Amino acid sequence: DTEVTQTPKHLVMGMTNKKSLKCEQHMGHRAMYWYKQKAKKPPELMFVYSYEKLSINESVPSRFSPECPNSSLLNLHLHALQPEDSALYLCASSQAGGTLSSYNEQFFGPGTRLTVL
Amino acid sequence: AQSVSQHNHHVILSEAASLELGCNYSYGGTVNLFWYVQYPGQHLQLLLKYFSGDPLVKGIKGFEAEFIKSKFSFNLRKPSVQWSDTAEYFCAATGSGTYKYIFGTGTRLKVLA
Repeated sequence: DTEVTQTPKHLVMGMTNKKSLKCEQHMGHRAMYWYKQKAKKPPELMFVYSYEKLSINESVPSRFSPECPNSSLLNLHLHALQPEDSALYLCASSQAGGTLSSYNEQFFGPGTRLTVL
Repeated sequence: AQSVSQHNHHVILSEAASLELGCNYSYGGTVNLFWYVQYPGQHLQLLLKYFSGDPLVKGIKGFEAEFIKSKFSFNLRKPSVQWSDTAEYFCAATGSGTYKYIFGTGTRLKVLA
């Protein structure tokens, strides 16, 4: 299974709502990522988890809160978002640790298209 | 500073034309290079990757890329494009021991039937 799944596919929320995005992989990968992608732009890295610990936070506002409950799951909790946060949110996974180049290949999920009203 | 440049932002080709998309990188140390494709409304898919060895890399759907270290380039090629190749193409670089990808700004390819 070389698939990364994300739910929901689409999400519309108000600025006062609390919602969560979910990502799952069963490839045994121990690194998982959240990206934000605006239309016609490349993905922007938000967070990286390595062995279920937060490894990289790219200065993301606190209204985005990541969580990695186990090695297969990655959540992104959303609260008090702004309309400019509307985007496609991508999850990815890869092997972790060491310096082998093969660890660097990231597998991407289909994304959650988020609209903040 | 680490960076990836894709100079062709929009490319329009007729079916059966040959394709070459440019990618230049600036990266200290050992670099790993990737080309991803994003079809309309779909997720990023890996086309091909270069870690080491033969600088000519063959990927899926008839794509290939050549790593030219002296030119810091990793251009994507396809001898004959099809209408179904219409998509956004992203070049990305990373290094051993790091999780961060550096993405290029993307090239939007439109193939006319």
